[in-house]
Amino acid sequence: EAGVAQSPRYKIIEKRQSVAFWCNPISGHATLYWYQQILGQGPKLLIQFQNNGVVDDSQLPKDRFSAERLKGVDSTLKIQPAKLEDSAVYLCASSWVGREHGYTFGSGTRLTVV
Amino acid sequence: QQQVKQSPQSLIVQKGGISIINCAYENTAFDYFPWYQQFPGKGPALLIAIRPDVSEKKEGRFTISFNKSAKQFSLHIMDSQPGDSATYFCAASKGSSNTGKLIFGQGTTLQVKP
Repeated sequence: EAGVAQSPRYKIIEKRQSVAFWCNPISGHATLYWYQQILGQGPKLLIQFQNNGVVDDSQLPKDRFSAERLKGVDSTLKIQPAKLEDSAVYLCASSWVGREHGYTFGSGTRLTVV
Repeated sequence: QQQVKQSPQSLIVQKGGISIINCAYENTAFDYFPWYQQFPGKGPALLIAIRPDVSEKKEGRFTISFNKSAKQFSLHIMDSQPGDSATYFCAASKGSSNTGKLIFGQGTTLQVKP
């Protein structure tokens, strides 16, 4: 099966600019996650969708981050305005419901805020 | 209570040796403990996982040892190979194994020398 697709792979922006990331999960995966991975740290969940509803967004900085999942398939994560500390890899992952195969992660988008 | 602490931060092992990475958790509600392997420029990939009703799980050269009373679990890589050189993350989740939020450790960078 095709993997989780993310774009762009790399993005460099200046602070206070806006940026958007796109994710296409594996076909049929109902659950979609966005994780933030700061260099040298483990991934941290930003938001979890079940179909097109939000399950958990407790660690999403809602004053600057937003995410949506259109028609329960693709998802976009937006940052506006970006701060230097937002420099990280943004990972999208998806999973089945009710099967113990864990998440499948995409390769991520590396964001550098200068 | 939501933390998962991982050690060591980095590890160098000779080819053929045993690599051991340890993790500790606090939240007794966690009931699913996966290990992920991440190569540079790629997203984490599920390696092996365990539930707290067993003390050990083995898949090929990879073994998880689980100590419920100590709230610790570890990954053992037998006959370590240069191709195993990667960053390894332990994680923990509660509730449904593949739809619950994963809490990741800080990661261990493993280098296997030829």
